Amino acid sequence: NAGVTQTPKFRILKIGQSMTLQCTQDMNHNYMYWYRQDPGMGLKLIYYSVGAGITDKGEVPNGYNVSRSTTEDFPLRLELAAPSQTSVYFCASSDTQGRGYTFGSGTRLTVV
Amino acid sequence: DAKTTQPPSMDCAEGRAANLPCNHSTISGNEYVYWYRQIHSQGPQYIIHGLKNNETNEMASLIITEDRKSSTLILPHATLRDTAVYYCIVRVTNQGGKLIFGQGTELSVKP
Repeated sequence: NAGVTQTPKFRILKIGQSMTLQCTQDMNHNYMYWYRQDPGMGLKLIYYSVGAGITDKGEVPNGYNVSRSTTEDFPLRLELAAPSQTSVYFCASSDTQGRGYTFGSGTRLTVV
Repeated sequence: DAKTTQPPSMDCAEGRAANLPCNHSTISGNEYVYWYRQIHSQGPQYIIHGLKNNETNEMASLIITEDRKSSTLILPHATLRDTAVYYCIVRVTNQGGKLIFGQGTELSVKP
């Protein structure tokens, strides 16, 4: 049972480039989330989804886009990378009862 | 969203109980209190959660006051591997049950 899998683990982007952070879960969870964590800070919610085809903004959505075409996948898209988006990104999932709220191991992104 | 207040840091001697407090005075009646911890920059790890009653599992105990405005996470016999940042979170029951993280308490377990 893999849980929540994030790829890549590390990435360096140049300013203005775009990329997609991948997140997949194999627990059949309806709810999925993207967080970012800046150095020395707590996690901030970027976007979340309550099911396929449904997404909503979190605390810090600007500069990001998401889609949820399947239950398993919840990719996060950065269109025009900026240095302020240098952070560690965590994906998480849970069932609708709040059980099994599980985090992935994170993607370390540096924008230069 | 209900906010939580935690001390920024705490120390604990190895083998002793670590008691981590959390205030959540604006919590609603159907909102749960969750505790997570994060070791270095790994993904947060679930510890325990509760609504009204005290809870215990193999990792910790959670004591919630009768008015539900505060809670305490207890690690009964802290080890060096328990050194981490501990987050107390009130989980909203709508909006996808999202967890909103605060700054947490940095617990240092010392030999």
